[in-house]
Amino acid sequence: NAGVTQTPKFRVLKTGQSMTLLCAQDMNHEYMYWYRQDPGMGLRLIHYSVGEGTTAKGEVPDGYNVSRLKKQNFLLGLESAAPSQTSVYFCASSYAYLGTVPSYEQYFGPGTRLTVT
Amino acid sequence: EDQVTQSPEALRLQEGESSSLNCSYTVSGLRGLFWYRQDPGKGPEFLFTLYSAGEEKEKERLKATLTKKESFLHITAPKPEDSATYLCAVQTNSGYSTLTFGKGTMLLVSP
Repeated sequence: NAGVTQTPKFRVLKTGQSMTLLCAQDMNHEYMYWYRQDPGMGLRLIHYSVGEGTTAKGEVPDGYNVSRLKKQNFLLGLESAAPSQTSVYFCASSYAYLGTVPSYEQYFGPGTRLTVT
Repeated sequence: EDQVTQSPEALRLQEGESSSLNCSYTVSGLRGLFWYRQDPGKGPEFLFTLYSAGEEKEKERLKATLTKKESFLHITAPKPEDSATYLCAVQTNSGYSTLTFGKGTMLLVSP
C-alpha cells in the first residue's frame, strides 16, 4: 500500500496564479483533510471531507477550495495565490473499521512545499 | 474552544538521558488523544491513541500515558534517532471527525 500520496512535492507560484494540489489514499478511508504547517503555528486545518461529494471548512479556509469527487482523492485549489499562502501543505486521511471498532487516527502524506513570490 | 498545549517547545537530551514531554488539553469531552512523530521535511507519523484516563501505550523507548487533563510521552534512554518533533492531538465527542493539534515539542538527542 502506498498510503497517502501528494502531488506535486514542490511548487513555486507567482502572486495571482492558480494551482491544484492532489491527494490520493489507498486505505479506503472515509475522511480526508488538508492542513497547512507554518513555523510557530503548528498544523492548521484548511478543509476536510467526511465522504465522497462532501466538504467542510476548517480553521483557515479562506483563499482555498476543495473537491472530493472520488473517495480516494481530495483536491486542494488555490484560485489566486498570495504570498501568505507560502507554506507546507499536508493531506491526511482517516476513519475505517478495524474489525468492529472504528479507528480515527489520521495518516499523513509527505507534504507539498509551496512558495508564492 | 478546544485547546492543546505542549511543553516544552524544545528539549535537548544526551543519549540515554530519560525525560518526558507534556501535552495538556482543555476540551469539552475527550474522545481520544493521539501522539505523532514528525521528522524534518516529512509528514507526521502516527504513534499512539489513548482513550481513557489511566491508559498507557508503549512502543520501543516511548510510553504514552493519559490523565483527565494531560498526557505524557515518556522517552526512556533515548537515542539520536529519536530526534524529531512530537505532536499531540485531541479528538472530542462533539467533533470526532477532526483533530486539534498542539504546536509540538522539538526533541534533539545528542550522542
